[in-house]
Amino acid sequence: DAGVTQSPTHLIKTRGQQVTLRCSPISGHKSVSWYQQVLGQGPQFIFQYYEKEERGRGNFPDRFSARQFPNYSSELNVNALLLGDSALYLCASSLDSYEQYFGPGTRLTVT
Amino acid sequence: GQSLEQPSEVTAVEGAIVQINCTYQTSGFYGLSWYQQHDGGAPTFLSYNALDGLEETGRFSSFLSRSDSYGYLLLQELQMKDSASYFCAVRTSGNTPLVFGKGTRLSVIA
Repeated sequence: DAGVTQSPTHLIKTRGQQVTLRCSPISGHKSVSWYQQVLGQGPQFIFQYYEKEERGRGNFPDRFSARQFPNYSSELNVNALLLGDSALYLCASSLDSYEQYFGPGTRLTVT
Repeated sequence: GQSLEQPSEVTAVEGAIVQINCTYQTSGFYGLSWYQQHDGGAPTFLSYNALDGLEETGRFSSFLSRSDSYGYLLLQELQMKDSASYFCAVRTSGNTPLVFGKGTRLSVIA
């Protein structure tokens, strides 16, 4: 079975721009979570979706939004990019259990 | 608030045993997980403890004491490939995502 996939792998954007990151969960997994990982820190929770509904939201500004599609894939959108948004964005899927399966991440650089 | 404390760096010799501690203070607690992350890679699941005691999976073991809000990851017979960052993470309720610590960077030296 394919693991969690994310696209793109790397992205360079300018301050003020908008970005959309994509994630496809493991087949059969209905829960998708998004995390932001700044260099040298642990992943920080942004959003969780389950069966297309938002289940949780971390302490991030409204510039961050997400959605989940009927096939359980998900998009994370970030508007009005700031330099501080530069990070590795991780998507994780799960069968609603304790084990989360992470994708390779999207490395976002904001200049 | 939620906080997880773990050492920032640990160095150990190849073939030795190393223990990485984690103390947590969270609003709820369902279980403690450990993840490994190599540079440039994604976190990968190592172990999970919901109840007190020791869980063993090959060279890796994980321990939990709920009364002490404390756990540790034990790595035995260290190999160079074990050099990575190790994160403890707490699930605060049944279906919530994980709250991660800042990670411990393990360096295995010859």
